[in-house]
Amino acid sequence: NAGVTQTPKFQVLKTGQSMTLQCAQDMNHEYMSWYRQDPGMGLRLIHYSVGAGITDQGEVPNGYNVSRSTTEDFPLRLLSAAPSQTSVYFCASSYSFGNPSAYEQYFGPGTRLTVT
Amino acid sequence: AQSVSQHNHHVILSEAASLELGCNYSYGGTVNLFWYVQYPGQHLQLLLKYFSGDPLVKGIKGFEAEFIKSKFSFNLRKPSVQWSDTAEYFCAVKSGGGADGLTFGKGTHLIIQP
Repeated sequence: NAGVTQTPKFQVLKTGQSMTLQCAQDMNHEYMSWYRQDPGMGLRLIHYSVGAGITDQGEVPNGYNVSRSTTEDFPLRLLSAAPSQTSVYFCASSYSFGNPSAYEQYFGPGTRLTVT
Repeated sequence: AQSVSQHNHHVILSEAASLELGCNYSYGGTVNLFWYVQYPGQHLQLLLKYFSGDPLVKGIKGFEAEFIKSKFSFNLRKPSVQWSDTAEYFCAVKSGGGADGLTFGKGTHLIIQP
């Protein structure tokens, strides 16, 4: 199993540009999430999904969109990049309630995004 | 809303010293508790987790944590640290049964001096 994969690893954007961060998992996990990691802030939840076709907002959703057309994929779209979105972005997946490993997040390697 | 507090943002220890990193959470209901580690330049990896049962849980690399419900705490311990334990450590809590991810603490940056 590849686990959780993310592309790209690094990205530099200019203010106002849009882009999509890709995330895929091959563990058949129902739940998927996007977090951003900023120095001294820990990880903060951006958006999450309970399954294909169902998404919801986390703690810091503004400026980001998500969709989940398949169980495997959960892309994160930046609509109009701003310097405040400079961060490291992690995608994670987990089993759902009822599974012995429910909620244990498996993380991807991250995407380091810089917005100038 | 759930919040997670890690008391030490930076900890510097010598090799072979004992380690205890504090973690407190705010929500008083049923919780699942986690400690993750992030080595330099890498993604987060699970160290250990508590779901139910014995409040003293053992994880990888000699780490353990104790869940004390009355204190809303889940402190991480290791009796003798190694240089390779240099990393960032995150406490995380899942409360409720939804899919809304984990609530993370701000992290503790641990440096082990040889």
